[in-house]
Amino acid sequence: GDSVTQMEGPVTLSEEAFLTINCTYTATGYPSLFWYVQYPGEGLQLLLKATKADDKGSNKGFEATYRKETTSFHLEKGSVQVSDSAVYFCALSKNNAGNMLTFGGGTRLMVKP
Amino acid sequence: GAVVSQHPSWVICKSGTSVKIECRSLDFQATTMFWYRQFPKQSLMLMATSNEGSKATYEQGVEKDKFLINHASLTLSTLTVTSAHPEDSSFYICSARDTGISQPQHFGDGTRLSIL
Repeated sequence: GDSVTQMEGPVTLSEEAFLTINCTYTATGYPSLFWYVQYPGEGLQLLLKATKADDKGSNKGFEATYRKETTSFHLEKGSVQVSDSAVYFCALSKNNAGNMLTFGGGTRLMVKP
Repeated sequence: GAVVSQHPSWVICKSGTSVKIECRSLDFQATTMFWYRQFPKQSLMLMATSNEGSKATYEQGVEKDKFLINHASLTLSTLTVTSAHPEDSSFYICSARDTGISQPQHFGDGTRLSIL
C-alpha cells in the first residue's frame, strides 16, 4: 500500500537557521504530495502542496519540490523563526485535492531564540 | 476560507462515561467528514469516513460500537466514544470536505480526550 516516511524528530534549530525535513513516499501511480503543519493543541493546516513531478510548492517561506526520481518531497526553509515551532506532516493523496490522505509520522521542529 | 469547528476542545471525564465530540463546517456544506485519532507524538490515523445521510465507513481495527459516528446534516458530524476507558484517551481530529471529489479536506482544531 501507499506510505510516507519522514525523518524522526525532534529537530532543534536556532532562529534563522536553515531547515530541511526529509520526506519520501511509496505509491503507485502519480500521487499529489502535501505538507501540513500542526501547532500545539491545534488541528492540521495545509502548508503547501505539489500535484506533479518537478512542481514546487511554497508558502510562508517554506518550499518543497516533488521529485519523482527519488520519490521525495523534502521541506525546506531558509531562515526559521521561533513561531515555526510545530509538528510537520508529509502526506500523499491519489488526487490533487488531498481528500484521501496518507500521513507520515510527523516531525517535531523546535526553534530556539 | 473554509472553517471547521470542533467542540469541545478538551474534555476530562471518568471511566465508563460516554463522550460526544461535534464537528461542524461553518461556511460550506460538508458531504464527507473524516475522523482521525492521534496518539502523543504520533501521526494521524484515519478512524472512519462519514458521508451525510449514510452509515460511516470504518477503517480496519476500529470498533464501530465503540466509536459511534453520526452525520445527519451537511454541516454536522458527531463522534461518540461510548463507555470510554483510559486507553481511549487521545487527540481526536475531524476534517470536512465540500461537495465534489476534487475538494480538499479542512481540519478542525482537535479534541483532547482524557479518561480518568
